[in-house]
Amino acid sequence: QSALTQPPSASGSPGQSVTISCTGTSSDVGGYKYVSWYQHHPGKAPKLMIYEVSTRPSGVPDRFSGSKSGNTASLTVSGLQAEDEADYYCSSYAGSSKEVFGGGTKLTVL
Amino acid sequence: ELQLVESGGGLVQPGRSLRLSCAASGFTFGDYAMHWVRQAPGKGLEWVSGISWNSANIGYADSVKGRFTISRDNAKNFMYLQMNSLRAEDTALYYCAKGRVAHQPPNYMDVWGKGTTVTVSS
Repeated sequence: QSALTQPPSASGSPGQSVTISCTGTSSDVGGYKYVSWYQHHPGKAPKLMIYEVSTRPSGVPDRFSGSKSGNTASLTVSGLQAEDEADYYCSSYAGSSKEVFGGGTKLTVL
Repeated sequence: ELQLVESGGGLVQPGRSLRLSCAASGFTFGDYAMHWVRQAPGKGLEWVSGISWNSANIGYADSVKGRFTISRDNAKNFMYLQMNSLRAEDTALYYCAKGRVAHQPPNYMDVWGKGTTVTVSS
């Protein structure tokens, strides 16, 4: 049960788009449609942004989108805003009732 | 308002035990799976354990399997995490989180508490 691989950091200017990758294996990301993404502002509770690879919960702006190809999932944030600056974590079902998170990506809005 | 409140954290010596509690309100607790997620100082999120709505399906991270036990009391709207044989590496902020659906998988967590801190040190 190894953590999914995310880039430690990502950045973009306001209005730009940025994509964060999340690489796993055929035993987790590649094997199931159960991939989710969380936004975490330090000191606050994490927030579910995307579930089932590409579905946005009610209230999440459509600037946030998700996709998956093979063993790699991706989160794209379009039209970057200052409030998007946070840590982002992917998560995937890994079989046997287990869940695994990625190492997290710190998104900086320049 | 949907709310999760964790309690039971504190300073504990290596090898000792601690029980965390999570009080739920504002939703029908028994209709949803529940999870524990932790974040060690300066580290990322780590899923610890999850339990389905009826406790029939339970999962643990490899790092805690055999030492931690998750349980729930739907009549009282509480979830628990019994942590035994604690190690320094268990030091973290422990979050309680509500699953988006009753069963697991999937393990989507759509409501989170503010967390309770566990420090394992002699």
